Amino acid sequence: GQQVMQIPQYQHVQEGEDFTTYCNSSTTLSNIQWYKQRPGGHPVFLIQLVKSGEVKKQKRLTFQFGEAKKNSSLHITATQTTDVGTYFCAGPQGGNQFYFGTGTSLTVIP
Amino acid sequence: DAGITQSPRHKVTETGTPVTLRCHQTENHRYMYWYRQDPGHGLRLIHYSYGVKDTDKGEVSDGYSVSRSKTEDFLLTLESATSSQTSVYFCAIIAGTGGVYEQYFGPGTRLTVT
Repeated sequence: GQQVMQIPQYQHVQEGEDFTTYCNSSTTLSNIQWYKQRPGGHPVFLIQLVKSGEVKKQKRLTFQFGEAKKNSSLHITATQTTDVGTYFCAGPQGGNQFYFGTGTSLTVIP
Repeated sequence: DAGITQSPRHKVTETGTPVTLRCHQTENHRYMYWYRQDPGHGLRLIHYSYGVKDTDKGEVSDGYSVSRSKTEDFLLTLESATSSQTSVYFCAIIAGTGGVYEQYFGPGTRLTVT
């Protein structure tokens, strides 16, 4: 079955440093979504990427979808304490199901 | 938050007892999902529903059953709870337009099986 792996599992950064999480799928994806979950909260949708090689930006966040549509990345420039949380990627699996990656937990040290 | 509520929010139960978690939505969404979240595993799909009385299994459905007798409610039942079912359970719906379909999650239920 489809597997979506994320690395790293944990990342500690000093405030102001950059952060990147990577998502890799065993199969080609029609699209990929990213979610953020604050500590103690629930996942919240960030973005969806559809096209091969697509790059989208949301302020300090940059999302990329690989050319082969099997991998994706989320890059945060100059992290802030408000970026703390766990970031998940999710790929569709037939029938309106989504397969979530294992997540990357980001800690920002002030 | 797409009007999703979950009840109870916290529950402690003993091994072998039945437990039912409720997800309620107010916006008439067709698709509803139950996930469990455990450290190192991310979110794993238990069951989902694509309409009243229409449900299907997800990745980790063993030990769980679901029911959806009306659009707004999706129930998750643990027939005989085990310690391995200690987890945080999230309900979700899917909604969107223009080819972008987002999942909206409820606040979660923290279940502890002792």
